[in-house]
Amino acid sequence: AQSVTQPDARVTVSEGASLQLRCKYSYSATPYLFWYVQYPRQGLQLLLKYYSGDPVVQGVNGFEAEFSKSNSSFHLRKASVHWSDSAVYFCAVKNNAGAKLTFGGGTRLTVRP
Amino acid sequence: GGIITQTPKFLIGQEGQKLTLKCQQNFNHDTMYWYRQDSGKGLRLIYYSITENDLQKGDLSEGYDASREKKSSFSLTVTSAQKNEMAVFLCASSWDWGDSYEQYFGPGTRLTVL
Repeated sequence: AQSVTQPDARVTVSEGASLQLRCKYSYSATPYLFWYVQYPRQGLQLLLKYYSGDPVVQGVNGFEAEFSKSNSSFHLRKASVHWSDSAVYFCAVKNNAGAKLTFGGGTRLTVRP
Repeated sequence: GGIITQTPKFLIGQEGQKLTLKCQQNFNHDTMYWYRQDSGKGLRLIYYSITENDLQKGDLSEGYDASREKKSSFSLTVTSAQKNEMAVFLCASSWDWGDSYEQYFGPGTRLTVL
């Protein structure tokens, strides 16, 4: 069965600093991968997705992620964070049966002004 | 674009009570989902449905029932609320074909059991 691990439960960075949020997955085939963001008291919103092709995918608000098959990873990056990026970020992998997703535990990002 | 509506936004119940949460989507998506999110934790799938009148159990279905009366709506019932239970229940929907697998989420229903 597939699984997703986000090893950092909490990350704190200063505004303007670069960011990397880590995601490792376990899946036998080529995965479909997603990053979602959850702002306080809201549902999840899609940041970006990877299905195939270029391993670096661009998302909304300056976020990008890089797929690595050799490392079984899909890390999220941003060159310069803003205080409004403070939120919880979830990595997810699509189940091989339909559109069901398996989510990681999430990383809570705090951006210090 | 579309939207997912969840009602109620806040739900307060008593121990042992049966509680029902509702979800509506206007994306015309085939598949709908119910997740439970506990404070500071990830999402756990309770039930999902790939079409009207279909139900599939997720990892956390015990203690819950679900109903997909029509394509646009999906209800979840907590069969017997547990004292001190607090969680957010998220509804989502998606296509289930082609390359469009991303799920779209509603804002959630916050449950508190006294």
